[in-house]
Amino acid sequence: SAVISQKPSRDICQRGTSLTIQCQVDSQVTMMFWYRQQPGQSLTLIATANQGSEATYESGFVIDKFPISRPNLTFSTLTVSNMSPEDSSIYLCSVGVLAGRPSGEQFFGPGTRLTVL
Amino acid sequence: SQQGEEDPQALSIQEGENATMNCSYKTSINNLQWYRQNSGRGLVHLILIRSNEREKHSGRLRVTLDTSKKSSSLLITASRAADTASYFCATDGLMDSSYKLIFGSGTRLLVRP
Repeated sequence: SAVISQKPSRDICQRGTSLTIQCQVDSQVTMMFWYRQQPGQSLTLIATANQGSEATYESGFVIDKFPISRPNLTFSTLTVSNMSPEDSSIYLCSVGVLAGRPSGEQFFGPGTRLTVL
Repeated sequence: SQQGEEDPQALSIQEGENATMNCSYKTSINNLQWYRQNSGRGLVHLILIRSNEREKHSGRLRVTLDTSKKSSSLLITASRAADTASYFCATDGLMDSSYKLIFGSGTRLLVRP
């Protein structure tokens, strides 16, 4: 499986500010995704990060609030903009369609734990 | 909305016992995957089972899939304290080629030493 890293691992931010989370993979991957996990909850897909084009957002998530970049096949960023306490969550990136792996398998980064005061 | 529902929501067992978790989903799927999450950290991929498979094993893990009932189960045999974690099932839809996953609500497993 791929080695996936995220930065920062955790942060405490003030409301109204923005935080950019980075996701780095040690090999080229076709698919990259961003998920949110609110406290005590399961994971919800925010968007699919498309290389070289705009991300595809799920219902309830918009580009102005969660801008995403994916400049190449190994790196993506998610920005949480104009934060409020409701944005306190764990944010996870995942990758899929790895060479030599069964189609559909997804692997997750270690997550970024965000607390907004 | 979440595709999968899992039960039980929480499970407490003694070390050495077996743990069984169940997952139900709503629409036809390509694959179903099980993940483990320790204390709000990243997800560890456990196993993927395809829609045309009925059972799969990996070490102490056994996964079954019943597409007629739209359900799956994860069995952990001879549990250890280190198995204490939350377990999630996730599916990708048959009619959706985007590979995006929809997660179940999760089961919190506590293995008592």
